[in-house]
Amino acid sequence: DSGVTQTPKHLITATGQRVTLRCSPRSGDLSVYWYQQSLDQGLQFLIQYYNGEERAKGNILERFSAQQFPDLHSELNLSSLELGDSALYFCASSVGDRGSYGYTFGSGTRLTVV
Amino acid sequence: DAKTTQPNSMESNEEEPVHLPCNHSTISGTDYIHWYRQLPSQGPEYVIHGLTSNVNNRMASLAIAEDRKSSTLILHRATLRDAAVYYCILRGYNTDKLIFGTGTRLQVFP
Repeated sequence: DSGVTQTPKHLITATGQRVTLRCSPRSGDLSVYWYQQSLDQGLQFLIQYYNGEERAKGNILERFSAQQFPDLHSELNLSSLELGDSALYFCASSVGDRGSYGYTFGSGTRLTVV
Repeated sequence: DAKTTQPNSMESNEEEPVHLPCNHSTISGTDYIHWYRQLPSQGPEYVIHGLTSNVNNRMASLAIAEDRKSSTLILHRATLRDAAVYYCILRGYNTDKLIFGTGTRLQVFP
């Protein structure tokens, strides 16, 4: 157990639907990062939050959004789902937002869009 | 973000040391060198990171060249459980995110 909890572990949904992925960071970590991993794309950075505020954005589609709540858990919302959104979605947390800190990753949510 | 270059794949036998190289010739003075690994069907796992000096922890050692243009992750005795994709990543002190490349796929044979 890495200390980063992601739910659900698996999700199967239809095209056009909306889903919410949840991440609880490791205790004491203020930064949360979301990554997408598909077979042909590798690990792609989506977005980062630090202590409730959006800090950095990567290749996140407009159909996707995220937020970090006062208790520091984060949610990634995916809407108008397409077949190509099928992927593993990882959340990671870090105690700070500087390069001197390492990340701890969760075990991921496997999203299948049918 | 500065770029790293790693071999696509490497092989090792169980209980032998493994040296995974990484080139980062455009590294800046404030870039930290991070290593992560990803076992099959799991999330990436932090291995080690360093700035200038060599680093050791329970998982591995990180040897950093004097000019910092390259580094080597050393697994002292490979086990079957070490078979994974290993990512070498540069992360600036003021950079918020880790950008993953394609990594090195390590195979370990019994």
